[in-house]
Amino acid sequence: AQSVSQHNHHVILSEAASLELGCNYSYGGTVNLFWYVQYPGQHLQLLLKYFSGDPLVKGIKGFEAEFIKSKFSFNLRKPSVQWSDTAEYFCAVNPNTDKLIFGTGTRLQVFP
Amino acid sequence: EPEVTQTPSHQVTQMGQEVILRCVPISNHLYFYWYRQILGQKVEFLVSFYNNEISEKSEIFDDQFSVERPDGSNFTLKIRSTKLEDSAMYFCASSERAGVYNEQFFGPGTRLTVL
Repeated sequence: AQSVSQHNHHVILSEAASLELGCNYSYGGTVNLFWYVQYPGQHLQLLLKYFSGDPLVKGIKGFEAEFIKSKFSFNLRKPSVQWSDTAEYFCAVNPNTDKLIFGTGTRLQVFP
Repeated sequence: EPEVTQTPSHQVTQMGQEVILRCVPISNHLYFYWYRQILGQKVEFLVSFYNNEISEKSEIFDDQFSVERPDGSNFTLKIRSTKLEDSAMYFCASSERAGVYNEQFFGPGTRLTVL
């Protein structure tokens, strides 16, 4: 069955630390990949997406993600986090259908 | 910036009652979706809707669930007879396209509590 795994459930960092959140998916065909963020009390917002082309994609707020097809991975990175990055982060896959398949999410807490 | 809106933000109901969750998708979007997230679990796809028809649905979306676009702006999810296990956050989403370049925009969610 198609699935998305996010290995880090809860990450705690100090400001200016670097961030990498893992995402792996199981699907052999063409996929579209997304990272969504949910700030406290707010709705899911798209951080970045990969459809095709350059596997290193840049999103909003200094985030980037790298698609590694051979590893079925789409890890999210940010070189220097801020307190305002405190949120829940969701990786999602669209395996060429209309639905998104989400990971379980990673709660990021950034302390000043 | 246009956004998806949902009402109510929180709905409390008794088991066995019918509930209708409402969504107003982004105005030029043609594809609509419902997802849910049970507390502590992942966001799960329920149903997609296009051209006044369900285009895809998950196993969760059984006969107790229905969707409708009653007018040009609203998109509703009805649960006919709620169960305790229906307690969850329900998210509506919409997109301009389907398939390969499908980018979905989400609403803030409705928290449904079934007592």
